[in-house]
Amino acid sequence: EDQVTQSPEALRLQEGESSSLNCSYTVSGLRGLFWYRQDPGKGPEFLFTLYSAGEEKEKERLKATLTKKESFLHITAPKPEDSATYLCAVSRMDSNYQLIWGAGTKLIIKP
Amino acid sequence: GAGVSQSPSNKVTEKGKDVELRCDPISGHTALYWYRQSLGQGLEFLIYFQGNSAPDKSGLPSDRFSAERTGGSVSTLTIQRTQQEDSAVYLCASSQTSGGSNNEQFFGPGTRLTVL
Repeated sequence: EDQVTQSPEALRLQEGESSSLNCSYTVSGLRGLFWYRQDPGKGPEFLFTLYSAGEEKEKERLKATLTKKESFLHITAPKPEDSATYLCAVSRMDSNYQLIWGAGTKLIIKP
Repeated sequence: GAGVSQSPSNKVTEKGKDVELRCDPISGHTALYWYRQSLGQGLEFLIYFQGNSAPDKSGLPSDRFSAERTGGSVSTLTIQRTQQEDSAVYLCASSQTSGGSNNEQFFGPGTRLTVL
C-alpha cells in the first residue's frame, strides 16, 4: 500500500538551530515528491518538487533532497517566521494528479 | 493576482442538514481538486476535475458527498445529511494542468466545517 510518513510529528528549535525534517515514502513508481508549507488557518503553499534520487532544490533557508526511499527538508539557521507545518506528498507514475500526503511536521522556531 | 478563494470560511451546521461549499479557482487553471483535512492526518483526496473531462470521484467517502464544476470554473462541494464525522477543513486547489512538471497545486484557505 502506498504510504507517506513524516517525522517527527513536531519539532521545536531555537532560532538559528539547524535541523532536518524527514519524509519517507512507499509508492509503486514515484513520479514526483512535493513539499508544501502550511500556516495556521491557511491552505498549503507549494515549496518544491523533486523527481529523481539525488536531486536537490533550495529556497532561502530551506533545502530539499531526495533518495529512493525518503526526502529530507533541511532548514538552516531558521527564523521564527519559518514556524509552520511542513507537508510532504508523492505522486505515482500511473496517476498524473493524485497526491498521497503525509500528516506533516509542525515546526516551531523560538526566538 | 487573485488566488484560490473559498466560501464560507467557517460553517457550523446541525447533524442531518445539507451544506454547500464553494471554490473559485485561479482564472485559467483547468484542473481543480477538493481535499479534506482532519486534525493530525494527511490531506484526503476527494474529487478531481480536469477541463471538460469526467471528474474523478474515487475519493468521495460516501454518496452523501457530491461536487460539480460549472463552466470549467467555480466548483461546489455538497454534503447531504451531514454527520459529525464530516467535521474537518475542506480545501480546494487548482493547477494550470495536471501531470508533467507544472502541476503545482495552489490552495485556497479552506472551509472549516463543524457538524454539531
